[in-house]
Amino acid sequence: NFMLTQPHSVSESPGKTVTISCTRSSGSIASNYVQWYQQRPGSAPTTVIYEDNQRPSGVPDRFSGSIDSSSNSASLTISGLKTEDEADYYCQSYDSSSWVFGGGTKLTVL
Amino acid sequence: QLQLQESGPGLVKPSETLSLTCTVSGGSISSSSYYWGWIRQPPGKGLEWIGSIYYSGSTYYNPSLKSRVTISVDTSKNQFSLKLSSVTAADTAVYYCARAPTYYDILTGYSIPYYFDYWGQGTLVTVSS
Repeated sequence: NFMLTQPHSVSESPGKTVTISCTRSSGSIASNYVQWYQQRPGSAPTTVIYEDNQRPSGVPDRFSGSIDSSSNSASLTISGLKTEDEADYYCQSYDSSSWVFGGGTKLTVL
Repeated sequence: QLQLQESGPGLVKPSETLSLTCTVSGGSISSSSYYWGWIRQPPGKGLEWIGSIYYSGSTYYNPSLKSRVTISVDTSKNQFSLKLSSVTAADTAVYYCARAPTYYDILTGYSIPYYFDYWGQGTLVTVSS
């Protein structure tokens, strides 16, 4: 199995841009799709990015995803930060038989 | 609109079996395009995938939990269920059920679930005597 490692927390000011990384421990990041979920306190997670860089309907285009094979990592970028973006963010991927979540990153918009 | 709802006891004694059911409404659990999964989240911690099931009964389980987990499906009731045996305090968590879209893997010839697009609201299960 593999692990996905995220920074524990990030913070940025409203209107700025923040990037959250997700590094895969083994196996190629490009071999399996990466997804990103947003979780606000007391709520279930919701998908903000799927298939590395696709946004579900209703997710603003301020949210974007990418992968970097050289660092074996994925990134979630949120531009034009709003206070409502403050939440926990989880990356997720899989291999032939397991589905793995990253440890989560707490985004503070201050 | 698809909805998933978890149900089951909120308190389970140590060494006993945790049992939860997820009822799906607004869509068919027998769709060939989806798996159905369980994910949990201990208080203040991150998400952990438990396992997933296809309407045919085909399953994937988290290797770290596999010896204690059974997931089953009842297509007549549009439900799927989780059983986790020999629970301890470490199994205290919010348990979510979710739908997992699949894609066709050319290399294996199988439909592979790859993410979770609809989630239930979650139910807190506490393991305590």
